[in-house]
Amino acid sequence: GESVGLHLPTLSVQEGDNSIINCAYSNSASDYFIWYKQESGKGPQFIIDIRSNMDKRQGQRVTVLLNKTVKHLSLQIAATQPGDSAVYFCAETYHPYSGSARQLTFGSGTQLTVLP
Amino acid sequence: DSGVTQTPKHLITATGQRVTLRCSPRSGDLSVYWYQQSLDQGLQFLIQYYNGEERAKGNILERFSAQQFPDLHSELNLSSLELGDSALYFCASSQTSSGANVLTFGAGSRLTVL
Repeated sequence: GESVGLHLPTLSVQEGDNSIINCAYSNSASDYFIWYKQESGKGPQFIIDIRSNMDKRQGQRVTVLLNKTVKHLSLQIAATQPGDSAVYFCAETYHPYSGSARQLTFGSGTQLTVLP
Repeated sequence: DSGVTQTPKHLITATGQRVTLRCSPRSGDLSVYWYQQSLDQGLQFLIQYYNGEERAKGNILERFSAQQFPDLHSELNLSSLELGDSALYFCASSQTSSGANVLTFGAGSRLTVL
């Protein structure tokens, strides 16, 4: 079936540097994407989302880029802080033809470690 | 605190047993979603309820069932447990029935099957 995957399972960055977390998706019909952050012992937490009619969306210290041509999504975190250490998941959804409700399909996650 | 409450936080049981996980959605949310997170599978969608009715089904085993009650809380029942059922089970909620929404997740219930 369709899947969402991540290029790198782990990423280590120095505190203060920028982080880039990548995600590839395979379903060209996907039209809505969300990035979640999961800290140890907690549930996933919404970071930022983007719809397929956009290429870029910015939040507080985070930017999501969407390249529909190559079906690639990235999350950029500016001035990475120790509190950014977590697993980051991308999730995608598309409108199913079966008539059932849309669902989020999550990627496998990238562990971001911020080094002092 | 996300507003989504899950109990119990931890549960240890034996193979063949049955357990019930409980979820209270965020105030005002009508949809409840159940996800399973294991080390090698990531977050897998199990099932969704909206205002008491099943709305969508994912990779949920026949040994598993769920329901959403009139007060909107939901329960996930896992029976004939196997070692491979050991995982984190997350509940999430959203306002509408569409899965194209931002889901708010609870802290999860960690199930260990021995």
